Amino acid sequence: DTAVSQTPKYLVTQMGNDKSIKCEQNLGHDTMYWYKQDSKKFLKIMFSYNNKELIINETVPNRFSPKSPDKAHLNLHINSLELGDSAVYFCASSQDQIGPDDEAFFGQGTRLTVV
Amino acid sequence: EDQVTQSPEALRLQEGESSSLNCSYTVSGLRGLFWYRQDPGKGPEFLFTLYSAGEEKEKERLKATLTKKESFLHITAPKPEDSATYLCAVSTDNFNKFYFGSGTKLNVKP
Repeated sequence: DTAVSQTPKYLVTQMGNDKSIKCEQNLGHDTMYWYKQDSKKFLKIMFSYNNKELIINETVPNRFSPKSPDKAHLNLHINSLELGDSAVYFCASSQDQIGPDDEAFFGQGTRLTVV
Repeated sequence: EDQVTQSPEALRLQEGESSSLNCSYTVSGLRGLFWYRQDPGKGPEFLFTLYSAGEEKEKERLKATLTKKESFLHITAPKPEDSATYLCAVSTDNFNKFYFGSGTKLNVKP
C-alpha cells in the first residue's frame, strides 16, 4: 500500500483554469505538507497542516488554497492558473513536528504544466 | 535567517570512486538534519536523520556525519544505481519549518 498518494500524477491545463490536486496518507500521521519543486529541483514548503489546522503558510499567492477535510487528506486547490505555476507539487506527511525520530514521507509528486 | 546550502550542485564519479557531498546550514534551533534521495520522477526517499554534532549513520555505501555547521554524505565505492539527486533538509524549532537545500545531482558512470 502506498503511504502517501497523490492524484493526478500529471496535470496539463490552460492558463486561467482552476484545478485541484488530492493527497491522502494512510500512515496515521497528524501533520501534512505541500511542497513545490521548481525546474531547478529546489523543494520549497508551501503549507503545513496539523490535525486539520493550518500551521505554516509560506509566501504563496492567494490563488493557492489548501483544504484538509480530515487529518488523512490535504488537497491543494489552485485558482486562475498561471504559466509560473508549472512545477512538480509534492505532498508529504509526518507524525508530528519533524525531528530526530520523526521523518517526513513524500508522495510521488504531481507534475503540473500550464499552457 | 535559516538557510541550507548544498555543494557541489552536480558530481560525476566513476564506479568505485569514493567522494563526499556537503550540506552547510544556518538555522536557529535545529531539531534534525535529514538526507533524502530523489530519483527522476519520484518523490524524495528518506535516508538518514542526524541531530547531535558528532553523530554518524551508515546505510550500505552511504555514511552521513554532522557537525555544528555542516553535514557530509560520504559515498564509498559508488555504483551506477547510486545515481540520483541527494537532498539535505533541516527541521527547526520555529513553527515546524522544514527547509531543503537545492540538492546534489550524482551521476556514477560504470
